[in-house]
Amino acid sequence: LAKTTQPISMDSYEGQEVNITCSHNNIATNDYITWYQQFPSQGPRFIIQGYKTKVTNEVASLFIPADRKSSTLSLPRVSLSDTAVYYCLVGAFNAGNNRKLIWGLGTSLAVNP
Amino acid sequence: SAVISQKPSRDICQRGTSLTIQCQVDSQVTMMFWYRQQPGQSLTLIATANQGSEATYESGFVIDKFPISRPNLTFSTLTVSNMSPEDSSIYLCSVAPQGLYNEQFFGPGTRLTVL
Repeated sequence: LAKTTQPISMDSYEGQEVNITCSHNNIATNDYITWYQQFPSQGPRFIIQGYKTKVTNEVASLFIPADRKSSTLSLPRVSLSDTAVYYCLVGAFNAGNNRKLIWGLGTSLAVNP
Repeated sequence: SAVISQKPSRDICQRGTSLTIQCQVDSQVTMMFWYRQQPGQSLTLIATANQGSEATYESGFVIDKFPISRPNLTFSTLTVSNMSPEDSSIYLCSVAPQGLYNEQFFGPGTRLTVL
């Protein structure tokens, strides 16, 4: 099972681009990489998911190199409301439809005015 | 997407008692998950609850301590039995409507304090 490592905390300012990198050296062939955002007293919220190369949606981009041993979540032009904990998740359903989920410890992002 | 509600939102319980947490989904979903999250910590999967089959528990969690029911495709309960202060945590349920993908939708959580 893959283990994920990400920075414990990051600081940024409004309007800046923030990049959070997650290391998952032992990622399996059938693992997807997913990022979640969590605000205090709420459940995590899906941000983006990818398998390889680059994925972009309306809120973020996810960069995955060819070896897939890391991934970088990119948040363009952050605002104060982006202050949250960001989790890197690696896991997938296996052939027996059993799910193994591996959550990172999370990166606490603080966006300052 | 899916909208999930949990009851209760929080509770304070006495040692040795049990608490049942309810999770209601606004659509039919096969896969439902129960997590535990200590304050300031990451999520730990307790079990996977698929309708029509027994719940599958992760290492370190047992059915006698955390019995789960999944009577239909929109509802599940998790019971925390014979509670101790170590069970104080946030309990979250989630669903994965897409099945084969990791995208999950989470409930708001139940904050449990055991005295």
